[in-house]
Amino acid sequence: DSGVTQTPKHLITATGQRVTLRCSPRSGDLSVYWYQQSLDQGLQFLIHYYNGEERAKGNILERFSAQQFPDLHSELNLSSLELGDSALYFCASSAGGGDGNTIYFGEGSWLTVV
Amino acid sequence: GENVEQHPSTLSVQEGDSAVIKCTYSDSASNYFPWYKQELGKRPQLIIDIRSNVGEKKDQRIAVTLNKTAKHFSLHITETQPEDSAVYFCAASIEYGQNFVFGPGTRLSVLP
Repeated sequence: DSGVTQTPKHLITATGQRVTLRCSPRSGDLSVYWYQQSLDQGLQFLIHYYNGEERAKGNILERFSAQQFPDLHSELNLSSLELGDSALYFCASSAGGGDGNTIYFGEGSWLTVV
Repeated sequence: GENVEQHPSTLSVQEGDSAVIKCTYSDSASNYFPWYKQELGKRPQLIIDIRSNVGEKKDQRIAVTLNKTAKHFSLHITETQPEDSAVYFCAASIEYGQNFVFGPGTRLSVLP
């Protein structure tokens, strides 16, 4: 168990809909990262937050948005969903400036768009 | 920004043989290089990491080497076992810089 909690674990939704994925980082971690992994693909970096502020953005679509709340949990919002958005979405966290930069992944949220 | 390349994309070895996966990075400021193992449908898990003040690090059958001058680092797995079969990702980041860039991954198959 990495200590990073993601919900829901599985989600099936229809095209055009909107979903929210939730992530609770490890206790004490200030950084939260979101990655998208399509079937048999690599880890595509979406966005990084540190202590509530956006720090870096990857190839995140305009239909996607994220935020990190004062209690450090993060949400990834996916809207106007398309079939191609079906993927495994990982959240990861790190201390982000503490004792190192190791990032730890949650179990992921499987999103299926039908 | 940082760019990480990883080779080979697939690798098959016989059980008991060694496996080597190589990564190159572009940003000379990167100083932290972790390796993750991902089994099918599971989360990537850290297996070993190295920082730029160290040239080599070993943990049982796994070792990582770093050549900062050439900007490449490698993962070595000795005495491979079927349970080593997985996708391996390398990454590079600037410690305390909080940006992680992953390589595209290597699918390792250990044949019995």
